[in-house]
Amino acid sequence: DAKTTQPPSMDCAEGRAANLPCNHSTISGNEYVYWYRQIHSQGPQYIIHGLKNNETNEMASLIITEDRKSSTLILPHATLRDTAVYYCIVRSSSFSSSNTGKLIFGQGTTLQVKP
Amino acid sequence: DAGITQSPRYKITETGRQVTLMCHQTWSHSYMFWYRQDLGHGLRLIYYSAAADITDKGEVPDGYVVSRSKTENFPLTLESATRSQTSVYFCASSDRTATNYGYTFGSGTRLTVV
Repeated sequence: DAKTTQPPSMDCAEGRAANLPCNHSTISGNEYVYWYRQIHSQGPQYIIHGLKNNETNEMASLIITEDRKSSTLILPHATLRDTAVYYCIVRSSSFSSSNTGKLIFGQGTTLQVKP
Repeated sequence: DAGITQSPRYKITETGRQVTLMCHQTWSHSYMFWYRQDLGHGLRLIYYSAAADITDKGEVPDGYVVSRSKTENFPLTLESATRSQTSVYFCASSDRTATNYGYTFGSGTRLTVV
């Protein structure tokens, strides 16, 4: 699965949009971009995923560039409860004998939402 | 209760002892995973299982043993615990038929080896 690069930390003012970037320049055609977050001491939580189209759900929006080499997770109105480590992960969605679609976590971005 | 549960939440054990961490999910998900998380290392995959009786190594399998006799359970055993295995352990499950192929994680087990 392709590697990802994220900034180690970011700050965001409460109520403002948080834009978290991720580079995945070696992504291949059948690989999806997934975002998870981990609030202190809790298990990681799935946020959103996409292949090439922009995606939106109740938690966030995912913007993937046309060449698919980078993406941005957008939290439209960040709250203090959004303070967490955010992980961008690229993996195949297919469960084959050679690739179970394992999630391999990097270091992520620590987002600090400030009042 | 529906979901994925880990037990115990906290465990202290002595070096050399065998300890088993339990993971139980109620969805009949095919895939289950064990991760460990240490300060400065993020989450690392220990073992995973594609179905009952099918398991395989992840990134850091040494010193661990898993089994999966039933779909809903995926215990992780440290055969002879070492201090380097002090960590927070997370279990996760995933349904291969789910549209998002997302993982659902448990709340974790904090293990201290003294």
